[in-house]
Amino acid sequence: DAGVIQSPRHEVTEMGQEVTLRCKPISGHNSLFWYRQTMMRGLELLIYFNNNVPIDDSGMPEDRFSAKMPNASFSTLKIQPSEPRDSAVYFCASSFVGGSNYGYTFGSGTRLTVV
Amino acid sequence: QKEVEQNSGPLSVPEGAIASLNCTYSDRVSQSFFWYRQYSGKSPELIMSIYSNGDKEDGRFTAQLNKASQYVSLLIRDSQPSDSATYLCAVNIDTGRRALTFGSGTRLQVQP
Repeated sequence: DAGVIQSPRHEVTEMGQEVTLRCKPISGHNSLFWYRQTMMRGLELLIYFNNNVPIDDSGMPEDRFSAKMPNASFSTLKIQPSEPRDSAVYFCASSFVGGSNYGYTFGSGTRLTVV
Repeated sequence: QKEVEQNSGPLSVPEGAIASLNCTYSDRVSQSFFWYRQYSGKSPELIMSIYSNGDKEDGRFTAQLNKASQYVSLLIRDSQPSDSATYLCAVNIDTGRRALTFGSGTRLQVQP
């Protein structure tokens, strides 16, 4: 299994530009999570999908952030317009929620820098 | 009060010693508990899960859970320099409705 695949690995963009992060979860997993990690705030949940349906989006900072999961094998996180305070590492993780052990598998992350 | 609290460290131990990492959580109805290891510049990696009170051992790692005290710990026996990383405690309060909540992590340094 290739694991959770995220792209791009690094993204540098100018303030005000649109940024799209992509994630392919592990086949067979029914849940997908987007987290953001910074030194100051640690690992924070942005949004949680179960069976492609958003279950908990309370962590999405504001309307500039949006996430979609059109099918079981693909999800996007979009920031429009981007701001310097959005600079962070964005992780996608997937899991099978409902089994006896549903620890998450994380992708390699996207390091976003907004200048 | 944060939902999941950890001492940020660094915790420094000599090679071969036992490293003890601690985590407290605020919600009494928390159901599942996990320890992740994160090397610098890498993604978190699951190393242990525990669901019921007591100890769970896996190789050099032992997870301990005390729900009455709202406390979970990770012991690493025979610590190696390769164990140097940040260890994240994660708690699931409501399986299916909420995702894991992570602590801020404890940085462990194993001195050769």
